[in-house]
Amino acid sequence: EIVLTQSPATLSLSPGERATLSCRASQSVSSYLAWYQQKPGQAPRLLIFDASNRATGIPARFSGSGSGTDFTLTISSLEPEDFAVYYCQQRSNWPPYTFGQGTKLEIK
Amino acid sequence: EVQLVESGGGLVQPGGSLRLSCAASGFTFSSYWMSWVRQAPGKGLEWVANIKQDGSDKYYVDSVKGRFTISRDNAKNSLYLQMNSLRAEDTAVYYCARYWNWFDPWGQGTLVTVSS
Repeated sequence: EIVLTQSPATLSLSPGERATLSCRASQSVSSYLAWYQQKPGQAPRLLIFDASNRATGIPARFSGSGSGTDFTLTISSLEPEDFAVYYCQQRSNWPPYTFGQGTKLEIK
Repeated sequence: EVQLVESGGGLVQPGGSLRLSCAASGFTFSSYWMSWVRQAPGKGLEWVANIKQDGSDKYYVDSVKGRFTISRDNAKNSLYLQMNSLRAEDTAVYYCARYWNWFDPWGQGTLVTVSS
């Protein structure tokens, strides 16, 4: 089973700042990695798939990069609605599909 | 608009059973794999099961194998999860999701609580 480790666990930033979230895989997942956003009381929403492709309707301030074992989600300039929990997920070696433990992005 | 609406959650005693349903609309249901993903209270996401378009292939996380069964009825645009021998650690919000290599979109979820 591939283990995904996200860092940091919590990230405290202010609106307008740049956010950089990390996801590291226990073995290579090639580019088979996605990022999801989850706000309190809501279902997760797909942001980025295949490591760097924005899902439909996702603003351009969200970008993904990386391949192999190291991946990054970048939010170029934080908007108030971006404060949420972010999860990475791999589909390289399944079953099972696995998720990271999440990074909580909170307002500083 | 693609919509997924789960139902069937509730409180059940350990060892009991529950059947979750997911009603799909806004897309050709029979053309997609479908999935169940769960989230224990205050915890992260855990994939539970996947089912192929025609129901011929099914996959499960090890912790539910032999206890949970995923199924679908393409004529009714519906996905199901039959959960037997429920344990306290199965307590979670259960989401259905369309799968097209990724989980997208997700329903709003239904809460299953296993407790005496």
